[in-house]
Amino acid sequence: NAGVTQTPKFRILKIGQSMTLQCTQDMNHNYMYWYRQDPGMGLKLIYYSVGAGITDKGEVPNGYNVSRSTTEDFPLRLELAAPSQTSVYFCASSSPRVQSYEQYFGPGTRLTVT
Amino acid sequence: RKEVEQDPGPFNVPEGATVAFNCTYSNSASQSFFWYRQDCRKEPKLLMSVYSSGNEDGRFTAQLNRASQYISLLIRDSKLSDSATYLCVVNTGLNTGNQFYFGTGTSLTVIP
Repeated sequence: NAGVTQTPKFRILKIGQSMTLQCTQDMNHNYMYWYRQDPGMGLKLIYYSVGAGITDKGEVPNGYNVSRSTTEDFPLRLELAAPSQTSVYFCASSSPRVQSYEQYFGPGTRLTVT
Repeated sequence: RKEVEQDPGPFNVPEGATVAFNCTYSNSASQSFFWYRQDCRKEPKLLMSVYSSGNEDGRFTAQLNRASQYISLLIRDSKLSDSATYLCVVNTGLNTGNQFYFGTGTSLTVIP
């Protein structure tokens, strides 16, 4: 059982370039999330999805876009990368159960924009 | 005001010590509460959920006080392997998209 997978693990972008961070989960979870974590800081929600075809902005959505065409995949798109987007990006999924809303995280993508 | 606030530490304790972490949350309608553990440069992983009646998992005890909007984690008999950052996490429930709010984390180092 792979859980939540993310690719790539590392990436260096030049200012103005674009890229897509991939996220896939094989647990049939309805809910998926993208977070960013800056050094010494907590996780901040970028976008989330409650199911295929439905996405919503989180706390820090500017400069990002998402899509959710299938239950399994939730890619995050960066357009016109900026140094402020240097961060570690985590994808997560969850499925509401009685007394448990545990989130499962992918291993993260470390992005540097220079 | 931040949704979830934690003392960032760091906490440096000797092996075998007992250490307690605290957390407060601002949204009184929050539904579910958790402690996650994050090792350096790794993804967060669930340590334990926190229930209203309090709950224990081995050396770890979590407490929730809904009236004070306060969550705690107690670690007894600290081990070197407990060194990590502990994240307090609050969930707002299905009516608000099942969103999770994370504290900035409390750093723990257990010293031999």
